[in-house]
Amino acid sequence: EAGVAQSPRYKIIEKRQSVAFWCNPISGHATLYWYQQILGQGPKLLIQFQNNGVVDDSQLPKDRFSAERLKGVDSTLKIQPAKLEDSAVYLCASSILAGAYNSQYFGPGTRLTVL
Amino acid sequence: AQSVTQLDSHVSVSEGTPVLLRCNYSSSYSPSLFWYVQHPNKGLQLLLKYTSAATLVKGINGFEAEFKKSETSFHLTKPSAHMSDAAEYFCVVSGSGNAGKSTFGDGTTLTVKP
Repeated sequence: EAGVAQSPRYKIIEKRQSVAFWCNPISGHATLYWYQQILGQGPKLLIQFQNNGVVDDSQLPKDRFSAERLKGVDSTLKIQPAKLEDSAVYLCASSILAGAYNSQYFGPGTRLTVL
Repeated sequence: AQSVTQLDSHVSVSEGTPVLLRCNYSSSYSPSLFWYVQHPNKGLQLLLKYTSAATLVKGINGFEAEFKKSETSFHLTKPSAHMSDAAEYFCVVSGSGNAGKSTFGDGTTLTVKP
């Protein structure tokens, strides 16, 4: 089966610019996650969707970050405007359902550099 | 609330010797616990998971982990390291009380010397 797809793989922007990342989860997976992984740290959950509804966005900096999952399939994460501290790898993951028992499947990530 | 502490940021072993990566967790609920591996420039891959069944869990590539509730630990082991095991390893706790929200540790870098 095809894995989680993400694009672009790399992005370099200047601070105060905008950027968007795209994710296509595994077919049939109802739950989609966006994580931020700063160098030297573990991934931190930004937002979790169940179908096209938000389950958890408690750690999403809502003044600059936004995410949507139209039609419960693909998802887009946007940063506007970007700050230097947003430099990180942004990981998308999906699972069949939400819940503690479900394994997450990760995409390759998008490495963002903010200059 | 939940948290994960990976006790070693770096572990170095010789090829053919045992591997031990240590993980302690804290959770207000009966947790599920996972180990993921991340090779350079590749996505995170699930090694194994514990979900309240057998406390000794076997995963891929010869790895296993034991859930010890009394010690709040979930250490990852492998009897004999292979060069291809060199990677970053993440311990993850997921609590049933908050839609399975996952909290990652900061990772342990495993180096395997020839």
